[in-house]
Amino acid sequence: KAGVTQTPRYLIKTRGQQVTLSCSPISGHRSVSWYQQTPGQGLQFLFEYFSETQRNKGNFPGRFSGRQFSNSRSEMNVSTLELGDSALYLCASSLGQSFYNSPLHFGNGTRLTVT
Amino acid sequence: QQPVQSPQAVILREGEDAVINCSSSKALYSVHWYRQKHGEAPIFLMILLKGGEQKGHDKISASFNEKKQQSSLYLTASQLSYSGTYFCGTENGSSQGGSEKLVFGKGTKLTVNP
Repeated sequence: KAGVTQTPRYLIKTRGQQVTLSCSPISGHRSVSWYQQTPGQGLQFLFEYFSETQRNKGNFPGRFSGRQFSNSRSEMNVSTLELGDSALYLCASSLGQSFYNSPLHFGNGTRLTVT
Repeated sequence: QQPVQSPQAVILREGEDAVINCSSSKALYSVHWYRQKHGEAPIFLMILLKGGEQKGHDKISASFNEKKQQSSLYLTASQLSYSGTYFCGTENGSSQGGSEKLVFGKGTKLTVNP
């Protein structure tokens, strides 16, 4: 069974530009979560989607948005990039409707560098 | 409501034991543990559930104290392969089937030396 696939793996953008990251979950998984990882801050929760609906959102500015398609694939978008947005963006899928008994399966991430 | 992990880092010799703690300021519904090696994706280790059920890895154990709102991960007779950063993720909810988010701590970096 294929794992979680994130594209692209690396991205270099200029301040002020916008970027779209893509995530394909494990087949059959309907929940997709996004996290931002920076040194010393751990995994910061961005948002979570289930069956095309955003169920939860973290404490990030409105420049960060996402969506989920009917095939459970998800995209996240960051507009008006800032230097502080440089990070590893991880996508994770899970099988269940809640995290109560459903582990996350992470992709390898997209490394975004903003210059 | 990010959980607090301690210690931030620990260095062991192969064969030694370690304990990593995870505390939450809110009531815990479930606690997830993951390990991430440098340059790799985090991988699932285990889930601890409100009510005492435990799932996951058979070489690493964990406890869940609902009253104290904390969980501890126990690594016994550590191996070189245990090196990495360990993250706990906490779900704060009140009813099964809820859609609370999973929030992670800042991680504990574990180094196992020969």
